[in-house]
Amino acid sequence: GAVVSQHPSRVICKSGTSVKIECRSLDFQATTMFWYRQFPKQSLMLMATSNEGSKATYEQGVEKDKFLINHASLTLSTLTVTSAHPEDSSFYICSADPSTSGGPDEQFFGPGTRLTVL
Amino acid sequence: GESVGLHLPTLSVQEGDNSIINCAYSNSASDYFIWYKQESGKGPQFIIDIRSNMDKRQGQRVTVLLNKTVKHLSLQIAATQPGDSAVYFCAETTPGRQLTFGSGTQLTVLP
Repeated sequence: GAVVSQHPSRVICKSGTSVKIECRSLDFQATTMFWYRQFPKQSLMLMATSNEGSKATYEQGVEKDKFLINHASLTLSTLTVTSAHPEDSSFYICSADPSTSGGPDEQFFGPGTRLTVL
Repeated sequence: GESVGLHLPTLSVQEGDNSIINCAYSNSASDYFIWYKQESGKGPQFIIDIRSNMDKRQGQRVTVLLNKTVKHLSLQIAATQPGDSAVYFCAETTPGRQLTFGSGTQLTVLP
């Protein structure tokens, strides 16, 4: 089956530093990847849609200058949390869409990255 | 389980019993629905999906029912096992292909 990995699985950083999270599709290519944020006991909230070779599309309320997304290849998207603060502490999950048909299809999710900002 | 505020609805069932997890969706234009299972500290895991031109789909021990009239989706798990304990999310996609997650239900299987 399609596998998506994330690195790191957990990270602790000091307030004001930047953190990069990688999302890789291991056995398929993904034109589109998605980044979600999940706070404890809450649902996944879409942050942005990452498109290979073009700018990411951000959801309302998500600061594009704070959450930098780069989708440089068909198997890798990165999310950089710049100048992280304690309120950015959350579980960040990516997903990848292998479909090129343009229709609704299953997304494959990564295992998530637990970010803790001290 | 319907969503209420920020608290996860919970469902407790005896091992071996059947579980029914409910989900209400709001977008009548949604044409594809998926149930995910999420264990603590992990990403969502695909369970079963259904397209809007169907009202029922069965998998191994799981059945999804779709009622478009009342915008309701349910997941039935037969003979629930301890390994089924997790949070279950329904998700829907619009023609624009954004995946929107429901609030989730915490399923606890009692021995």
